[in-house]
Amino acid sequence: GAGVSQTPSNKVTEKGKYVELRCDPISGHTALYWYRQSLGQGPEFLIYFQGTGAADDSGLPNDRFFAVRPEGSVSTLKIQRTERGDSAVYLCASSLESGTAYEQYFGPGTRLTVT
Amino acid sequence: SQQGEEDPQALSIQEGENATMNCSYKTSINNLQWYRQNSGRGLVHLILIRSNEREKHSGRLRVTLDTSKKSSSLLITASRAADTASYFCAKDDMRFGAGTRLTVKP
Repeated sequence: GAGVSQTPSNKVTEKGKYVELRCDPISGHTALYWYRQSLGQGPEFLIYFQGTGAADDSGLPNDRFFAVRPEGSVSTLKIQRTERGDSAVYLCASSLESGTAYEQYFGPGTRLTVT
Repeated sequence: SQQGEEDPQALSIQEGENATMNCSYKTSINNLQWYRQNSGRGLVHLILIRSNEREKHSGRLRVTLDTSKKSSSLLITASRAADTASYFCAKDDMRFGAGTRLTVKP
């Protein structure tokens, strides 16, 4: 079956612009996670959804970052007034349920470059 | 904060040798997972170990868990060049550490 997909694969934007990153999880997976990863670093947790609700958004760095999952499937990560420091690979993962009792399946990521 | 901390940060070995990397954590866990990330590719789940387990095997991988020391180790036996990757642990809050970058030389 299809894995986790993320679009776009690459996004270049100018400082100050708004961007949306999309994640399509594996069908039937109730938990969805967003991470960002800088070169040479591990994935940095941003937020996770159980169903439609954000169960833990403590990793969002500031109020310029927001994520939604209105129907409990596709999720969109939204970044307002982008800054150069937002440049990173944004990873999405889904799992059958939340928590480490369940394997996470990661997407290929969206590489965001803010110029 | 990153709750799963791996060490060493980097490890370089010859093909055929064994590689051991460690993960320490700060608070009690129910489960701990190990993931691998090849250069330019996404993360792939390797193995899950539960808090009531002490050791688990999957092919050439062996994971141990010592809850009294709040640590886990991942052993890769008879390493191959294809094992070259970064390895991460993640515990219940799904935070990852900085990882161990393993290089296996042919």
